[in-house]
Amino acid sequence: KQEVTQIPAALSVPEGENLVLNCSFTDSAIYNLQWFRQDPGKGLTSLLLIQSSQREQTSGRLNASLDKSSGRSTLYIAASQPGDSATYLCAANTDKLIFGTGTRLQVFP
Amino acid sequence: GAVVSQHPSRVICKSGTSVKIECRSLDFQATTMFWYRQFPKQSLMLMATSNEGSKATYEQGVEKDKFLINHASLTLSTLTVTSAHPEDSSFYICSARFPGVNEQFFGPGTRLTVL
Repeated sequence: KQEVTQIPAALSVPEGENLVLNCSFTDSAIYNLQWFRQDPGKGLTSLLLIQSSQREQTSGRLNASLDKSSGRSTLYIAASQPGDSATYLCAANTDKLIFGTGTRLQVFP
Repeated sequence: GAVVSQHPSRVICKSGTSVKIECRSLDFQATTMFWYRQFPKQSLMLMATSNEGSKATYEQGVEKDKFLINHASLTLSTLTVTSAHPEDSSFYICSARFPGVNEQFFGPGTRLTVL
């Protein structure tokens, strides 16, 4: 049974810092891994999707890496801004998406 | 492209009533849709997988007689919460799998409050 864990559970940083959010999964037989952002009371915004054959994906200040063999993915946020404050979820896709526990990020001015 | 809508976005009902939530893929046909539930400050939990023209597959611990799923067309799946109780209050999110691609696109969610 796939289990997905995210560390840290919460993070509070000053504006401008570079951040690393971690995601680990127990079953490496995934099709892809996806990172989402969720604002309070809102739905999901897809940030990055990494196929199982890929090592990383980049979009603007965001970079996500994937190491299937070790069951890990990392979301790197460069030069964080207050607008980045949200909950970040990773999800491992093994025919169905299993979501991680989430990291609540607060970036203060 | 790949837009998924949900209706309603918010619903308040009395205990014992039934509530229907619609999930539509607006610009693509989806043979498979998924229903998730999210309790406050928790992550999304898959409730069931909805396949067009066949019965839904429910995850362990989800009561199929309480959460009725109908995937009657390639663009519409419905979730009916029957005899709702306050403990059913939650954020319900659907997604649709884009054909030929192993990626899901999510609706904006429906917040259900049962009084």
